[in-house]
Amino acid sequence: NAGVTQTPKFRVLKTGQSMTLLCAQDMNHEYMYWYRQDPGMGLRLIHYSVGEGTTAKGEVPDGYNVSRLKKQNFLLGLESAAPSQTSVYFCASSYSSSGGANTGELFFGEGSRLTVL
Amino acid sequence: GQNIDQPTEMTATEGAIVQINCTYQTSGFNGLFWYQQHAGEAPTFLSYNVLDGLEEKGRFSSFLSRSKGYSYLLLKELQMKDSASYLCAVRDSNYQLIWGAGTKLIIKP
Repeated sequence: NAGVTQTPKFRVLKTGQSMTLLCAQDMNHEYMYWYRQDPGMGLRLIHYSVGEGTTAKGEVPDGYNVSRLKKQNFLLGLESAAPSQTSVYFCASSYSSSGGANTGELFFGEGSRLTVL
Repeated sequence: GQNIDQPTEMTATEGAIVQINCTYQTSGFNGLFWYQQHAGEAPTFLSYNVLDGLEEKGRFSSFLSRSKGYSYLLLKELQMKDSASYLCAVRDSNYQLIWGAGTKLIIKP
């Protein structure tokens, strides 16, 4: 059981370049999330999805776009990378946000370390 | 605004007990989570509290007081592998998670 898989694990970009981070989960989770983690700060939500074909903005969506064409995949795109987007990006999934015996705990991918020069 | 406060760093000795505190001010409350994150790795779920009181899970326990906006994570019989960052997160009234910056726990022999 692979859980949540992110690709690539590492990437170096030049300012203005574009790229896509891919997240795949095999747990049949409805909810998927993209976070960024920067030193001294809590995880910040970029975008999230509550189901196939749906996306919503999180706390820091500017400069990013997402797509959820298939339930198991959640893509994060940077159209024109900026040095401020240098960060570690984590994808996560959950069965739901909460409800019943389900706590809504998140399952995280291993992270993608992005450097923008 | 919404805010989660936790100490930046703590040091403890192998075999001892350590308590990591978390205070929060959020728009509503729908549960509090603790995650463990080893350096360079993904966060992993440790515990969940939605009602006041203590939840025990092996060497780890988590306590919640909703009236005080306060939680703590208690780690007993510390092992070197417990060296990690511990993240506190609160789910607000919109079911969004608000994250603390994490507490880096250093275990010394």
